[in-house]
Amino acid sequence: LAKTTQPISMDSYEGQEVNITCSHNNIATNDYITWYQQFPSQGPRFIIQGYKTKVTNEVASLFIPADRKSSTLSLPRVSLSDTAVYYCLVERNTGFQKLVFGTGTRLLVSP
Amino acid sequence: EAQVTQNPRYLITVTGKKLTVTCSQNMNHEYMSWYRQDPGLGLRQIYYSMNVEVTDKGDVPEGYKVSRKEKRNFPLILESPSPNQTSLYFCASRGLAGGDTQYFGPGTRLTVL
Repeated sequence: LAKTTQPISMDSYEGQEVNITCSHNNIATNDYITWYQQFPSQGPRFIIQGYKTKVTNEVASLFIPADRKSSTLSLPRVSLSDTAVYYCLVERNTGFQKLVFGTGTRLLVSP
Repeated sequence: EAQVTQNPRYLITVTGKKLTVTCSQNMNHEYMSWYRQDPGLGLRQIYYSMNVEVTDKGDVPEGYKVSRKEKRNFPLILESPSPNQTSLYFCASRGLAGGDTQYFGPGTRLTVL
């Protein structure tokens, strides 16, 4: 199953747009890309998922190029409450279901 | 409300004393999984289950057992806990339709003395 690589940490300020890129070179045809957000001592929670091109919901956008070997999570106008760890995960919805989380990206938003 | 529940939320025990952490989901999900989280190591999968009576090892299965006798429950069993199993544990569940995502429980903080 495709492993992912993300930056260890990122810093930003309130009101800025934050883009976190994830590399997943070995992604397979039937794999989806999912991003999760985790606050300290809480379980990860779903942010957004996509298969190709662009997906947008009320909290984020996800950009996936045609080769699908990377993806970028975009958080518009971050606030202090967006300080968290963000995980990119490649998930397959059929067959083999062993999942490998990376170490995630620790985002710190400052005033 | 759709949710994954874990019990207990906190547990302090001693080496060698068998314990079970329960996990239950109310979403009729086929897939369930256990993770442990340690500082600097992210989330590592222990075991997963595709459906009742179907389980398989994740990345770090040593020292753990699981069972899936009912669709909604997926208990994690530590037959003889050791201090290196001190960790934060998360249970998760997911449907198997395209585009489904994982729902995580609130976590169980285990300390083995």
